[in-house]
Amino acid sequence: NAGVTQTPKFRVLKTGQSMTLLCAQDMNHEYMYWYRQDPGMGLRLIHYSVGEGTTAKGEVPDGYNVSRLKKQNFLLGLESAAPSQTSVYFCASSYGGFTSYNEQFFGPGTRLTVL
Amino acid sequence: KQEVTQIPAALSVPEGENLVLNCSFTDSAIYNLQWFRQDPGKGLTSLLLIQSSQREQTSGRLNASLDKSSGRSTLYIAASQPGDSATYLCAVSSPSNTGKLIFGQGTTLQVKP
Repeated sequence: NAGVTQTPKFRVLKTGQSMTLLCAQDMNHEYMYWYRQDPGMGLRLIHYSVGEGTTAKGEVPDGYNVSRLKKQNFLLGLESAAPSQTSVYFCASSYGGFTSYNEQFFGPGTRLTVL
Repeated sequence: KQEVTQIPAALSVPEGENLVLNCSFTDSAIYNLQWFRQDPGKGLTSLLLIQSSQREQTSGRLNASLDKSSGRSTLYIAASQPGDSATYLCAVSSPSNTGKLIFGQGTTLQVKP
């Protein structure tokens, strides 16, 4: 039982390049989330999904797109990377939704640098 | 809108000491509060989740309490060990944020041998 895994662990991009971060969970969770963590800003929700085929915007969605084609996978895309997107990205998942018992389980993170 | 604050930002204690980490929130109407641990360069590990109807939760040497009326939660760590050194984050889920987790900035704990 691997829990929540993220690929890749590290990445360096040049401004304007694109990339996709992959999150996978093996706990059969319905809900999945993408956060970014920045010094002094804490963790902020980028996008989330309440089930296969669904996505929704979080607190800081601009510049990112997501897809949830399979229940176990949640992809975060950067179409045209900017230096402001330099951050550590965390994926999380939970069994329940926002109004129920929704303990969130986090992946190890992806450290992204945009030059 | 829910806001979560953790004070102090950093704490250093000698090994063996009992300690309390604080978390305060502005809106007392919550669904639940979750405490996490984050080691440097690592992800978040869930420690305890307290639902709105609960007053406390315990796991080993950790005890988390919740006082909604005062907008406070505390994480009590008994007999601290160097291995407890990490950043501790609290996060609140509340109706005012449609249930999404709002995180505090964290308290970085150092336990000295």
